[in-house]
Amino acid sequence: EAGVVQSPRYKIIEKKQPVAFWCNPISGHNTLYWYLQNLGQGPELLIRYENEEAVDDSQLPKDRFSAERLKGVDSTLKIQPAELGDSAVYLCASARGAEETQYFGPGTRLLVL
Amino acid sequence: RKEVEQDPGPFNVPEGATVAFNCTYSNSASQSFFWYRQDCRKEPKLLMSVYSSGNEDGRFTAQLNRASQYISLLIRDSKLSDSATYLCVVKGMDSSYKLIFGSGTRLLVRP
Repeated sequence: EAGVVQSPRYKIIEKKQPVAFWCNPISGHNTLYWYLQNLGQGPELLIRYENEEAVDDSQLPKDRFSAERLKGVDSTLKIQPAELGDSAVYLCASARGAEETQYFGPGTRLLVL
Repeated sequence: RKEVEQDPGPFNVPEGATVAFNCTYSNSASQSFFWYRQDCRKEPKLLMSVYSSGNEDGRFTAQLNRASQYISLLIRDSKLSDSATYLCVVKGMDSSYKLIFGSGTRLLVRP
């Protein structure tokens, strides 16, 4: 079974530029999560989707971050404009349901210069 | 105070050693507990769930003490391949079902 796919794996941008990350969850997984992981820290939840509905986006900085999961499968996370402090690893995870085991993708490593 | 706290380490042990990691959590309503393993520049992967009765998977033993809000992971007969960061994880019972991660404990197993 294919795992969670994320792209790009690495991204370097200048501050104030926009950036987008893409995630393809494991087939059949209705729940999708975006996490942010800073160096030396554990992942922190940004947003959770149940199918195409964002059911928990309380941790998403809505002034610059947005996410979508239009058809309830793939998802994109966007930052506009990026700031230096956004440099981190952005992890996508999926699960069959909210109470099921979460499987993580390899992450997108973002560096904002 | 962080919701999940761990000693960051690193724990530097020789092959064959037994090593234990501890973790405390602040929300007494937490219901599910896990240990995840994260290799350098890789994604976290579920190592094992932690049950009230304790559970064992080969060389790994996890224990939960609800009264003290404390979780432990014991690794026996350490292998070089056990070198990684071990993340203590708690899942709440609120509607978010989100995983709350500790900062991780780094383990280095030397030959």
